[in-house]
Order: sequence, then C-alpha cells, then structure tokens
Amino acid sequence: DQQVKQNSPSLSVQEGRISILNCDYTNSMFDYFLWYKKYPAEGPTFLISISSIKDKNEDGRFTVFLNKSAKHLSLHIVPSQPGDSAVYFCAAEDGGSQGNLIFGKGTKLSVKP
Amino acid sequence: NAGVTQTPKFQVLKTGQSMTLQCAQDMNHNSMYWYRQDPGMGLRLIYYSASEGTTDKGEVPNGYNVSRLNKREFSLRLESAAPSQTSVYFCASRLRGAYNSPLHFGNGTRLTVT
Repeated sequence: DQQVKQNSPSLSVQEGRISILNCDYTNSMFDYFLWYKKYPAEGPTFLISISSIKDKNEDGRFTVFLNKSAKHLSLHIVPSQPGDSAVYFCAAEDGGSQGNLIFGKGTKLSVKP
Repeated sequence: NAGVTQTPKFQVLKTGQSMTLQCAQDMNHNSMYWYRQDPGMGLRLIYYSASEGTTDKGEVPNGYNVSRLNKREFSLRLESAAPSQTSVYFCASRLRGAYNSPLHFGNGTRLTVT
C-alpha cells in the first residue's frame, strides 16, 4: 500500500501563473517531508523540505504547505517558469524510527510559455 | 565538489550476465542508498547503508547485493541480470544523525537487460 501518494501524474500551467503540486500520506508518524525536482537524464535534486512542527516553509518562488490533520502537503511555485518543467517527487519519513525516505510516484509539470 | 558520482552512465547486459554499479560520494556522508526508478513507479529503495560497515534491505532487494567498501563508496551488484532489472539506478547519500537532512543523488545509471 502506498504510504506517499501523488495522485496527479501530470500538470500543465501557463508561464507566470501558480503551479500547485499535491501529495497525500497515510503514515501519521511521518515528521519530515521533502520535494525533489528531476529533469530527464539527471538525478533528483532537493528542492525544499518541511518539518512536522511547521505548517509552511518558503524558499524564493517555492512554498511548501503541510496540513497534518489532513495528512496532505502541497508545493506552490509562483510565478511558474518554463525552466520549472520537470518531474516533482514528494517524499516523507519517520525520523524518530530512523526510517528511510518514502517517495511518491511523481508529478510531471509542464510550464508553457 | 563532485557530490555523488555513479559509473557507468549506461550499460546493456544480456540475461544472466553480472555487473557492478559503482557509487562514490565526497560529502563525508555516513548513509548511502541505492534506488531504482521505473516508469510510473517512482523511486524505490533497493538497499541502504546507514553507516560504514552496515547494509540493510529496502523495498525491492531481490536479485541485488551491495557492498559498503568504505565511507565514500557503495556498490550495487547484479549477479545474474534479468529483463525485469531494466531500469534507471540512482545512488544517494545523506548525513544522518540527530537531525534530518535531505538525500543527495547521483545522475543515475541507465541499465538495459536483453
């Protein structure tokens, strides 16, 4: 059973608009959440993270929101740029158990000029 | 600073052949990981090494073996390759301790087994 779910395989957004990527999780013990970006023929690169003690973390154009009661997090990209076109992976872990990162299946974002 | 380096970048094997994927990191990280990525499946953990001298199975370990050669290097071996092992393999590392830190990935090895 998937513990980290990204239910939208793809998303298309116009340049300059907001991109919202969503992620749901089932394990209430997860306390550390990350987003990775992946371009073709490259490894995933770390984008932004959030600890369960926060509900928002911002880094430039990227903001991650965490709703613990709904077991839901989202990544907002504002404004979206064509260079943001990539596959985005959500990941989570239970730091207390020294567990490992569990990844979602990814969402392919296309930002159109 | 090279980060995580994987070799080779590409490899084609025939069914039954063996090979070793190499990974090295220069960030003084204590934990290292091997993932595979398949279309529609995301990143799945094969094996990991929480610290030098230890290795553990991940989600999909069957058909693979690993060696944590030293703190820098973590290799993945396919003893008898099968077409189901056609995939892109990523090595990653992180600093693991009292706080969480993100994984750093290499650029992957694209393996085709015919």
